[in-house]
Amino acid sequence: DAGVTQSPTHLIKTRGQHVTLRCSPISGHKSVSWYQQVLGQGPQFIFQYYEKEERGRGNFPDRFSARQFPNYSSELNVNALLLGDSALYLCASSFSGVSNQPQHFGDGTRLSIL
Amino acid sequence: GQQVMQIPQYQHVQEGEDFTTYCNSSTTLSNIQWYKQRPGGHPVFLIQLVKSGEVKKQKRLTFQFGEAKKNSSLHITATQTTDVGTYFCAGLNTNAGKSTFGDGTTLTVKP
Repeated sequence: DAGVTQSPTHLIKTRGQHVTLRCSPISGHKSVSWYQQVLGQGPQFIFQYYEKEERGRGNFPDRFSARQFPNYSSELNVNALLLGDSALYLCASSFSGVSNQPQHFGDGTRLSIL
Repeated sequence: GQQVMQIPQYQHVQEGEDFTTYCNSSTTLSNIQWYKQRPGGHPVFLIQLVKSGEVKKQKRLTFQFGEAKKNSSLHITATQTTDVGTYFCAGLNTNAGKSTFGDGTTLTVKP
């Protein structure tokens, strides 16, 4: 079975642009979470979606938004990109929306802002 | 807000030596998860601890959850080069409804 897949793997943008990152969860998993990981730090929680509804939101500005589709895939959108948005964006899926489920991470999208 | 601290930040050991990383939360946790991230890779789930004082073992890895459910540790016996990577703890506070990751302990093993 395929694991969590994310696209694109790398992306270079300039300040002020917007970006859309995509994630397909493991088959059968209904929950998707997004994390931002800056070099040398742990993943920081951005959003969790379960059954197409937002279940949690981290301390990120409104420039960050996400959605989940009927097939449980998800998109993370970031508007008005800043230099500080440069990071590895990780998507993690789990079977249910319960927070004590193990999370399965994808390889991430490395976003560089110039 | 909830904070999860891990120490040490880095640990360099000779192959065969033991290794321990500690995780401390500012709030009482419902559970704690441990993940391993190899260089250039993504976090991989290792284990979850739920009960106060719980101890779990996976081969050479021993995981403990503190009695007060505010701290945890991961101990590796007789490290091998395959143990190289960054070990993260993630603590769940049900009031916050989400897990908070520590900044990890990066382990390097010299053969």
